[in-house]
Amino acid sequence: DAGITQSPRYKITETGRQVTLMCHQTWSHSYMFWYRQDLGHGLRLIYYSAAADITDKGEVPDGYVVSRSKTENFPLTLESATRSQTSVYFCASSVPGQDDIQYFGAGTRLSVL
Amino acid sequence: GNSVTQMEGPVTLSEEAFLTINCTYTATGYPSLFWYVQYPGEGLQLLLKATKADDKGSNKGFEATYRKETTSFHLEKGSVQVSDSAVYFCALSDYGGATNKLIFGTGTLLAVQP
Repeated sequence: DAGITQSPRYKITETGRQVTLMCHQTWSHSYMFWYRQDLGHGLRLIYYSAAADITDKGEVPDGYVVSRSKTENFPLTLESATRSQTSVYFCASSVPGQDDIQYFGAGTRLSVL
Repeated sequence: GNSVTQMEGPVTLSEEAFLTINCTYTATGYPSLFWYVQYPGEGLQLLLKATKADDKGSNKGFEATYRKETTSFHLEKGSVQVSDSAVYFCALSDYGGATNKLIFGTGTLLAVQP
């Protein structure tokens, strides 16, 4: 019962570098989500996906790119990292029609120097 | 648009004290309401939920009642333990668009002292 796993758990990078955060779920959930967690802001939705090859912007999508070629994977890419993208990133998944409950990964702590 | 407002923390209590964390919401329609908990170094996990007015969600001694007249979903526990120390998030379901999303409050840090 692996559930939803994120990798890496911790990442340090430099301004301007490209970084990809991985998210993998074993439940075959249709919906997947990426959030960032910042003090004073709670969780803010970056991107979400209703199914493979279907993605859409959330509240704070600028500077991020996602893809979903397979149902189980939903990577998040920072094309050119900035210091303001230092944050904790959470991936989540859910099943349509199941009371909207989302299941979260353990998170990736990203520091951009 | 839809939004969630929850009390700012940190909330510091002694073990066995009574806990209330306030949450109010603004929404069109009839969203489902949730409390999620985040223990140190972990992701969020569902604590309890309510799907319609006057429903009471409960789990692990925590309770919250969906109050449509006051647009509130306050979290309560009669006797907290040190192990309850965590960040608590109130959330509501947002049905705009093709995918049902959640809108979260800013979180409330609870610290329980022995």
